[in-house]
Amino acid sequence: NAGVMQNPRHLVRRRGQEARLRCSPMKGHSHVYWYRQLPEEGLKFMVYLQKENIIDESGMPKERFSAEFPKEGPSILRIQQVVRGDSAAYFCASSPGTGPRNEQYFGPGTRLTVT
Amino acid sequence: GQNIDQPTEMTATEGAIVQINCTYQTSGFNGLFWYQQHAGEAPTFLSYNVLDGLEEKGRFSSFLSRSKGYSYLLLKELQMKDSASYLCAVSGLFRDDKIIFGKGTRLHILP
Repeated sequence: NAGVMQNPRHLVRRRGQEARLRCSPMKGHSHVYWYRQLPEEGLKFMVYLQKENIIDESGMPKERFSAEFPKEGPSILRIQQVVRGDSAAYFCASSPGTGPRNEQYFGPGTRLTVT
Repeated sequence: GQNIDQPTEMTATEGAIVQINCTYQTSGFNGLFWYQQHAGEAPTFLSYNVLDGLEEKGRFSSFLSRSKGYSYLLLKELQMKDSASYLCAVSGLFRDDKIIFGKGTRLHILP
């Protein structure tokens, strides 16, 4: 039973380019969460999605960032016109559903470096 | 607002016991998670407390006091591989079952 998959594991982009980060949840999980982690800092919630639906994007910057979780295929976090401050580790987590014990399983992360 | 506090760093000796504290002030509360994160890796689940009291799982135990907004993670018989960050996270009656994470406590184990 494969865990949460993320790719690429490392991504280098020049300022102004686009970054696309992919996340495939665990089998049977329909809820996906994206987090950003800066060096020496905790996980910052960005967005929570279910299939074809954004549930909560309160942690997402208003501009340049978007996320989707289509009916088929992985969830995508897209960052347009990247800037140096976007350099971070981006983690995806998935869970089987809602409820108090909504344990999330994390993927290995994508480390984005903007040069 | 939501606020989760835990010490930034701690140091302990191999074989010893260490307690990592976490206090929280959140607009809602269902339960509290502890995750372990090794440098450069993904967080992994350690424990989940919803009721007051101590939950023991091998060398690791987690305690919760809902009335005090307080939890701790207790690690016994420390091993070098326990060097990692420990993240306290609260799930609550927030919009949509979101989990809020603290900044984590970096634990250094000395031989």
